[in-house]
Amino acid sequence: GIQVEQSPPDLILQEGANSTLRCNFSDSVNNLQWFHQNPWGQLINLFYIPSGTKQNGRLSATTVATERYSLLYISSSQTTDSGVYFCAVSQGAQKLVFGQGTRLTINP
Amino acid sequence: GAGVSQSPSNKVTEKGKDVELRCDPISGHTALYWYRQRLGQGLEFLIYFQGNSAPDKSGLPSDRFSAERTGESVSTLTIQRTQQEDSAVYLCASSLQGTQPQHFGDGTRLSIL
Repeated sequence: GIQVEQSPPDLILQEGANSTLRCNFSDSVNNLQWFHQNPWGQLINLFYIPSGTKQNGRLSATTVATERYSLLYISSSQTTDSGVYFCAVSQGAQKLVFGQGTRLTINP
Repeated sequence: GAGVSQSPSNKVTEKGKDVELRCDPISGHTALYWYRQRLGQGLEFLIYFQGNSAPDKSGLPSDRFSAERTGESVSTLTIQRTQQEDSAVYLCASSLQGTQPQHFGDGTRLSIL
């Protein structure tokens, strides 16, 4: 089945810093989603981005489907950005396959 | 609310007991998914329902796990004869159709003593 790899596994930054999270996947996909899992365990939808670029406030994402990767950018980090960021993909009308996540810690 | 609703939010039970978890999808969403998340891990797919089609059960880890869905509404996930390795957060998601983005509930945290 399709494999999803996220990097880095852990990232510790000071408030105000910028960060780039990467997601590589092993096959073509028609769904790619980025999620933020907050410290209370809630999975928050960030982007539905099987291709192209989207922006939402301080967050933006780019997926290059032909090269099988996606990037999540977080600018001017805040402590509330802390948590685990998951990339998940699917092929057709199927289950999402999740990466292992990037644990982001933003220190004040 | 308009989101995916799961109950109970927490469940503690003794090994060997049966448990039933409930998911109310977003109204109008035809696709419904169950996932499991063990501590510190990513999410693992369990089962997928799409309308009246036969469910995709390929992720169920053993025959102790089963799930039902009534039409395009509520789903229940049942775990029989629970084992300690069943301890995890069980998350439900729904989408308009199978190819649309999935929206997740807050999960049920299951602890087996």
